[in-house]
Amino acid sequence: EVQLVESGGDLVKPGGSLRLSCAASGLTFRNVWMSWVRQAPGKGLEWVGLINTIAAGGTTDSAAPLKDRFTISRDDSKDTLYLQMNGLKSDDTAVYYCVTGDFRGGMLRYFDYWGQGTLVTVSS
Amino acid sequence: DIQMTQSPSSVSASVGDRVTITCRASQDISYWLAWYQQKPGKAPKLLIYAVSSLQSGVPSRFSGSGSGTDFSLTISSLQPEDSATYYCQQAKSFPYTFGQGTKLEIK
Repeated sequence: EVQLVESGGDLVKPGGSLRLSCAASGLTFRNVWMSWVRQAPGKGLEWVGLINTIAAGGTTDSAAPLKDRFTISRDDSKDTLYLQMNGLKSDDTAVYYCVTGDFRGGMLRYFDYWGQGTLVTVSS
Repeated sequence: DIQMTQSPSSVSASVGDRVTITCRASQDISYWLAWYQQKPGKAPKLLIYAVSSLQSGVPSRFSGSGSGTDFSLTISSLQPEDSATYYCQQAKSFPYTFGQGTKLEIK
C-alpha cells in the first residue's frame, strides 16, 4: 500500500522559511515522479510543482508565481520528497499535500495517491 | 495557463437522482482531464482520469465524458456518501490547474 506522510508544517512569520518533508513507502520511490498540491483554508486545490526521477534528470517544474520562492527536491536514499519555501507570505497559508501517481502519457499527470497534508500558517 | 471553469458551484440533489457537473477548459486539452472527490477534512481522491477511465475501486455510478474543452462528471444514482466537493484537473500542460470545485449536497 502506497503511503505518503508529510511533516514540517508550522506557524511561521511573513518572510520566513520552512521546509516540508514527505516520506514515501509502498512504492519504488526512485522510479516515481512526485508533486505538491496545496489548499488554502476553505478554498480549492492549487498545483505547486513536481519533480521527475533522477534517471530522467531530476528536473522540476513549478507554478510560475512560486518558482522564485519554492524549491522541490528529493532524496532517493531516504525515499523522501521536500518542499523548501522561502519568503513566505500570508497567501501561502494552506494545507500542503504530497502527491504522486501512475506514469501516464510519459509523465505524472494525475494524482492517484495523496498524503494527509501538513498545515502551513503564515502569520505575524 | 489553462483555466478550468466548473459549473455549478454548488448543487443539491436527492438520493437516487442523476447529477451532472461540467468543466470547461480555456483551451483544447484533448483527453487530459481528471476528476477528484474531496470530503471535509480529507485529502482528495482520484475518481476518473483521461476523461472517462474509472480509477480502481470507484463505483460504476460515476462516469466521465467529453473532449477538447468541454467535459462532464455524472453520478447516475446519487448515494448519501457522494456528498462532497468535486474538482476537475487538466493534465495537458504545466502548470496543472484545477477547477474551482462543485459542492454536492444531499437533500
